[in-house]
Amino acid sequence: NAGVMQNPRHLVRRRGQEARLRCSPMKGHSHVYWYRQLPEEGLKFMVYLQKENIIDESGMPKERFSAEFPKEGPSILRIQQVVRGDSAAYFCASSAGTEGYEQYFGPGTRLTVT
Amino acid sequence: GDSVTQMEGPVTLSEEAFLTINCTYTATGYPSLFWYVQYPGEGLQLLLKATKADDKGSNKGFEATYRKETTSFHLEKGSVQVSDSAVYFCASLVNNKLTFGGGTRVLVKP
Repeated sequence: NAGVMQNPRHLVRRRGQEARLRCSPMKGHSHVYWYRQLPEEGLKFMVYLQKENIIDESGMPKERFSAEFPKEGPSILRIQQVVRGDSAAYFCASSAGTEGYEQYFGPGTRLTVT
Repeated sequence: GDSVTQMEGPVTLSEEAFLTINCTYTATGYPSLFWYVQYPGEGLQLLLKATKADDKGSNKGFEATYRKETTSFHLEKGSVQVSDSAVYFCASLVNNKLTFGGGTRVLVKP
């Protein structure tokens, strides 16, 4: 049973470019979460999605960041016009249900903005 | 808002020593509590969990007990191995959002 898959594992973008991060949840999981690990700031919640719906985006920066989880295919975290401060590890997690269900994490995408 | 506080590292131990990592939380509502472990260059692996007061989570020799009266979830292992060297994160789950502590780096020397 494959775990949470993320790609790419490493992504390098120049300032102003777009970054697209992909996440495929564990089989049977329909709840997806994105977290960001910034140097010196720890792991922070960004967004929670179910198929075709954003449930909670309270941790998403107001500009340049968006997320989706379409009916078919992986969840996408999109960062437009990246800046150096976006350099971080972005982790996706999935769960089989809500409230108390454990979240399983993928290996992360390490974004470097040059 | 919700927060999790855990002891800062690094914690350096000799093999077979006893490990304790303190974790306390504040939360609105009644959280589930978790410990995750992160090895270099990897994602977070779920180590153990507890969903209600006095529950004890355990896995791979690690244990933690949900103490509502002290709002704590301290991680313990009786005899660590070099392979336990990693960063450990305490986390609370409320409204489908995990709130993490800052992480504690543990280094076990042979």
